[in-house]
Amino acid sequence: SQELEQSPQSLIVQEGKNLTINCTSSKTLYGLYWYKQKYGEGLIFLMMLQKGGEEKSHEKITAKLDEKKQQSSLHITASQPSHAGIYLCGAFEANSNSGYALNFGKGTSLLVTP
Amino acid sequence: GAVVSQHPSWVICKSGTSVKIECRSLDFQATTMFWYRQFPKQSLMLMATSNEGSKATYEQGVEKDKFLINHASLTLSTLTVTSAHPEDSSFYICSAGILAGGEETQYFGPGTRLLVL
Repeated sequence: SQELEQSPQSLIVQEGKNLTINCTSSKTLYGLYWYKQKYGEGLIFLMMLQKGGEEKSHEKITAKLDEKKQQSSLHITASQPSHAGIYLCGAFEANSNSGYALNFGKGTSLLVTP
Repeated sequence: GAVVSQHPSWVICKSGTSVKIECRSLDFQATTMFWYRQFPKQSLMLMATSNEGSKATYEQGVEKDKFLINHASLTLSTLTVTSAHPEDSSFYICSAGILAGGEETQYFGPGTRLLVL
């Protein structure tokens, strides 16, 4: 089955600094989703990447898909305390009997300090 | 964006009782909804796919008789945890997919926290 590995597992950055979170798949990616989750809450959809080389932005968050590397990176510019939370990447698993359900990475916990 | 609601948001129950969790798509119709479970400090694990008008498709290792799923309409799916035990305590999240502009986007409910005593 497909595995999604996120790195780093946790991150503490000072407000205003930039940061990058990576998501690497063990198999070919057929669409890659990025979500943000605050503890005990549901998931907030950030963006979806479908094509190799595709890059999308949502406010100060940019994500890119490298299809060849089976990897996606999420970059936050000038981080703010409101960016704190757990960032999850999710991807379809080909041949899954669940159609287009998502597999998820374990998440990257981000803390932004003043 | 599309809105998915869940009810209740949290529930505490005694061991051996059954608990029903509702997942509703508020402003769109969803022929397929997904149920996930998340244990503390772990990622979301897909439990089953809920299909409107037909039986749910369960992932390997998920007991069908324990986690009953019903997708009675295009806007409602329910997950019933039967004879709940403390090990069933978890965060349950549903999602529904929309196909728009050639892209499939999944929207998640706010989750239901279940505590079984």
